[in-house]
Amino acid sequence: SQTIHQWPATLVQPVGSPLSLECTVEGTSNPNLYWYRQAAGRGLQLLFYSVGIGQISSEVPQNLSASRPQDRQFILSSKKLLLSDSGFYLCAWSVGGNTIYFGEGSWLTVV
Amino acid sequence: AQKVTQAQTEISVVEKEDVTLDCVYETRDTTYYLFWYKQPPSGELVFLIRRNSFDEQNEISGRYSWNFQKSTSSFNFTITASQVVDSAVYFCALSEKRGGATNKLIFGTGTLLAVQP
Repeated sequence: SQTIHQWPATLVQPVGSPLSLECTVEGTSNPNLYWYRQAAGRGLQLLFYSVGIGQISSEVPQNLSASRPQDRQFILSSKKLLLSDSGFYLCAWSVGGNTIYFGEGSWLTVV
Repeated sequence: AQKVTQAQTEISVVEKEDVTLDCVYETRDTTYYLFWYKQPPSGELVFLIRRNSFDEQNEISGRYSWNFQKSTSSFNFTITASQVVDSAVYFCALSEKRGGATNKLIFGTGTLLAVQP
């Protein structure tokens, strides 16, 4: 069966520091991969999605970037964090246009 | 533009009561999917159901049931005989096609359900 893992689960970072959140999917090939952010107030926003290695689409302009170095690996990064980057980040996957399944999430607090 | 509205911000019920969570959507697509996800306090989004726009048949899974009505653009979720473990934030979502076979999920703002013992 397919599983998705992301880490770290919790992160406290100072303003201006870099960020790297990693996500891997197991048990499937060539998945579509997604990064969502959930800010305070519960709204979920799609940040990036990828249909293949090296292919990244950004949904909103922001301080973050994403990369997909391997088929089942998706990384969310920032060179310099802002206070507004705080939130709950969720990696997700799907096969084709089917159901999107989410990882456990990563809590990021920028101080 | 696609939009999902969950007008109920918070609902509080006593255990064993039935509760319905409302979801109204807007879309110009003729083919789309609707979803419900559960987010317990741990934070992970748990998939509950996916419904194709061509399938208006209601679905029942244990204590959960879903009522999809295209005429009113609604996809409501009912929990029968609620339990404390049902306490969570519930999200309704609508899929939107993006680049090839990907799906972008448009989420509602969620409904916080608190089931009191």
